[in-house]
Amino acid sequence: GDSVTQMEGPVTLSEEAFLTINCTYTATGYPSLFWYVQYPGEGLQLLLKATKADDKGSNKGFEATYRKETTSFHLEKGSVQVSDSAVYFCAQGLGGTSYGKLTFGQGTILTVHP
Amino acid sequence: EAGVTQFPSHSVIEKGQTVTLRCDPISGHDNLYWYRRVMGKEIKFLLHFVKESKQDESGMPNNRFLAERTGGTYSTLKVQPAELEDSGVYFCASSQPNRDEQFFGPGTRLTVL
Repeated sequence: GDSVTQMEGPVTLSEEAFLTINCTYTATGYPSLFWYVQYPGEGLQLLLKATKADDKGSNKGFEATYRKETTSFHLEKGSVQVSDSAVYFCAQGLGGTSYGKLTFGQGTILTVHP
Repeated sequence: EAGVTQFPSHSVIEKGQTVTLRCDPISGHDNLYWYRRVMGKEIKFLLHFVKESKQDESGMPNNRFLAERTGGTYSTLKVQPAELEDSGVYFCASSQPNRDEQFFGPGTRLTVL
C-alpha cells in the first residue's frame, strides 16, 4: 500500500546549522506532498506543499522539492533557529475528486540548541 | 476565524470504559477527518466525512470505534469498550470542499489503563 518514510530522529542541531530531513513516498499515481509541523502543545500546521513533479514548496525559510524520479520530498533549511524545534511530518495525499486521507511518515523530532 | 477544536485535551480511562471525543471543524469545512498517532509512530488515518456522510472509513480499526457527524457540523468519536492499545493521540482535521490542505486540531491524548 501507499506509505511515507522519513528519517528517524531525534535530530539535534546548533542554531544556524543546516537542516535536512529526508522523506520518500511510495504512492502510485501523482500524489500531492506535504510537510506538517507540530510545535509543543499545538496541533499540526501545514508548513509547505507541492502538487506536481519538480514543484518546490517553501515557507519560513524551509524548502522541499517534489522529485518524482527519486520519489522524494526532502525538507531543508539553511539556518535553523531555536524556534524551529518541533516535530516534522512528511505526508502524501491524493487529490482530485476525493481529497481524502493523508498518509504520514512517523515524524522527526528536531531540537535546536542556542 | 476559529481553528479546529477538540475536546477533551486529555482523557484517562480504565480498560473497558467508554470515551467520547469531540471535534469542531472550521466553519464551512465540509470535509472532516479523524487520525490517530500511537506511541510515537506515524499518524494513521481513521475516517473521512463529507458533510454528514462517511466518505471513507477504511482506517477504523474495529467495531469498538464509532464516529458520527450529525448535521454535518461537529463530529464525535466513541470508543466502547476501550482497550489498552487504543491509547494515543487522536487528531481531527477539516478542509474546504475540493481543497487538499487539511487544518488540524491540537489532538486529544487518550490513555487507557
